[in-house]
Amino acid sequence: QVQLQESGPGLVKPSETLSLTCSVSDASFSSYYWSWIRQPPGRALEWIGYIYHTGSTSYNPSLKSRVAISVDTSKSQFSLALNSVTAADTAVYYCAGAPNQNFFDYWGQGTLVTVSS
Amino acid sequence: DIQMTQSPSSVSASVGDRVTLTCRASQNIGNWLAWYQQKPGKAPRLLIYSASTLLNSGVPSRFSGSGFGTDFTLTISSLQPEDFATYFCQQANSFPRTFGQGTRVEIK
Repeated sequence: QVQLQESGPGLVKPSETLSLTCSVSDASFSSYYWSWIRQPPGRALEWIGYIYHTGSTSYNPSLKSRVAISVDTSKSQFSLALNSVTAADTAVYYCAGAPNQNFFDYWGQGTLVTVSS
Repeated sequence: DIQMTQSPSSVSASVGDRVTLTCRASQNIGNWLAWYQQKPGKAPRLLIYSASTLLNSGVPSRFSGSGFGTDFTLTISSLQPEDFATYFCQQANSFPRTFGQGTRVEIK
């Protein structure tokens, strides 16, 4: 069973960079596409982007100018960096894995990130 | 982006009821649709993918999905206490992947 765990600060100041890491506990790290998905309080899920173990990425155009996803295959980790954050970026951030690029079989438990001064 | 619209936004039902939730895509997505269940404070759980295929790992057979193109349904044939949750649809026809706003299934 694949397990994912998000880590990172729960509070980020406006205009700064939100940084999160997802640790994956499964030997088949290279078999999945790894995504970040967020959910503002009381609202729908929003796909942020994915990365493959090769470093290939795809981003949501609505966030593309501010987001970067990176991977460290030696640690079975991938990371999210979202810059120039505002209060609108306050959300629960999930990392998720898909065996193809399509449907998200595995999810972390989520981490709330609040943007506030 | 493909817009996913779910209806109703919430439904009240009793244990044992048959419940049908609807998801409509703003353009033809074939069968590239998934349904997720989310309980408060928890991550979403994949239930159904490719519109009608139940995930192998422990999804009860009372859940079923149907549809193709733009209109899809999730049916719970006999609602159980553990089914009270919010259900989201998600399209995988094109990027960016998009989700519906969710349907909350509440206890009547």
